[in-house]
Amino acid sequence: NAGVTQTPKFQVLKTGQSMTLQCAQDMNHNSMYWYRQDPGMGLRLIYYSASEGTTDKGEVPNGYNVSRLNKREFSLRLESAAPSQTSVYFCASSAGGVYSNQPQHFGDGTRLSIL
Amino acid sequence: TQLLEQSPQFLSIQEGENLTVYCNSSSVFSSLQWYRQEPGEGPVLLVTVVTGGEVKKLKRLTFQFGDARKDSSLHITAAQPGDTGLYLCAGAALYGGSQGNLIFGKGTKLSVKP
Repeated sequence: NAGVTQTPKFQVLKTGQSMTLQCAQDMNHNSMYWYRQDPGMGLRLIYYSASEGTTDKGEVPNGYNVSRLNKREFSLRLESAAPSQTSVYFCASSAGGVYSNQPQHFGDGTRLSIL
Repeated sequence: TQLLEQSPQFLSIQEGENLTVYCNSSSVFSSLQWYRQEPGEGPVLLVTVVTGGEVKKLKRLTFQFGDARKDSSLHITAAQPGDTGLYLCAGAALYGGSQGNLIFGKGTKLSVKP
């Protein structure tokens, strides 16, 4: 019953360092998403992927890149981390198309601090 | 940009009290989903309402979708400490855009004291 698995759970980086957040789902879902959650700002969509091999920008894509490696995995990369990217990052997946009524299933998040 | 205004932002009540959380928008949604998030975890779906005027009950929680499909409410009867958490509403967009398929409200942080 893994659902959506995110690694790592916690990470501290220095400004300018790079890292990749990993996400994998075992529910055979087509659509996958990356969000960031900040106090008072709610969940904001960074990037999403409607299917393997396709990705699209969300509301706040600047400073991030993504890769939909296969149907199961969707990674988020910070090329040059900035303090403004300190946040909790959530990966989610859903069955059906991106614009369906299907609910999203979330991982437990990666807590990222950038000093 | 579609917006979903959620209120109140914070709510602190005593065990046994009733409460209502509201989500409002000027946009029409194809459905409205409610999630609950506990500290250190991701949001978990509570319910989806699809039809205008629809009411769904989940034990002591009652969810309603507005007739025009622009707003929704969550009512908790006789709140218990186990209800403590962050409640998020999310509207499923009718049209595509950079916000993806779900427009999230900013959440209501509920604290129920024994």
